[in-house]
Amino acid sequence: GAVVSQHPSWVICKSGTSVKIECRSLDFQATTMFWYRQFPKQSLMLMATSNEGSKATYEQGVEKDKFLINHASLTLSTLTVTSAHPEDSSFYICSARGGTPHEQFFGPGTRLTVL
Amino acid sequence: GNSVTQMEGPVTLSEEAFLTINCTYTATGYPSLFWYVQYPGEGLQLLLKATKADDKGSNKGFEATYRKETTSFHLEKGSVQVSDSAVYFCALRKDSSYKLIFGSGTRLLVRP
Repeated sequence: GAVVSQHPSWVICKSGTSVKIECRSLDFQATTMFWYRQFPKQSLMLMATSNEGSKATYEQGVEKDKFLINHASLTLSTLTVTSAHPEDSSFYICSARGGTPHEQFFGPGTRLTVL
Repeated sequence: GNSVTQMEGPVTLSEEAFLTINCTYTATGYPSLFWYVQYPGEGLQLLLKATKADDKGSNKGFEATYRKETTSFHLEKGSVQVSDSAVYFCALRKDSSYKLIFGSGTRLLVRP
């Protein structure tokens, strides 16, 4: 149980285009979802926290107009990277919390490459 | 601020060797401490955790003890297997928040 999926697993796009990444909790209702960014050989950095039906809370230094987060249902959150540029290339990971109160369950990640 | 520091990898061991991956933290108050493991192509999975000083978390032969006096949570396993090859992340969570703060990860490679 407690499976989180992400789609796509990898994406390559041209500079200036927008990319949407989906995060789904497959067998539980996720009251809270988290989006992380991971640079090569570096830690996961929390980008934002989203609760179902409300606006996401962004961490300091994360541009909310650049990284649009929607948590429209208890099983789906999306991250849209708008007008992507090469510096946005990274590994994006989501996690979901629900059911077990204090545990987060992680998706496998999405590798974004912006050319 | 709160932070986690763990040893750089990669760590390369032979099967059945003893494993230690060091992790130290900086935090105010009394954080909960975690080890997560990420196998190739998969998401992070919780390996073990400890919520207060002197607690020992254990799972799948791995152990880590919450040492407040040294602000450490070192991961150990007595005899590693090839299947333990993965990236290991140490993390902390402040009690008042669900936010996790991660170390940079340590890649473990176990050779047959």
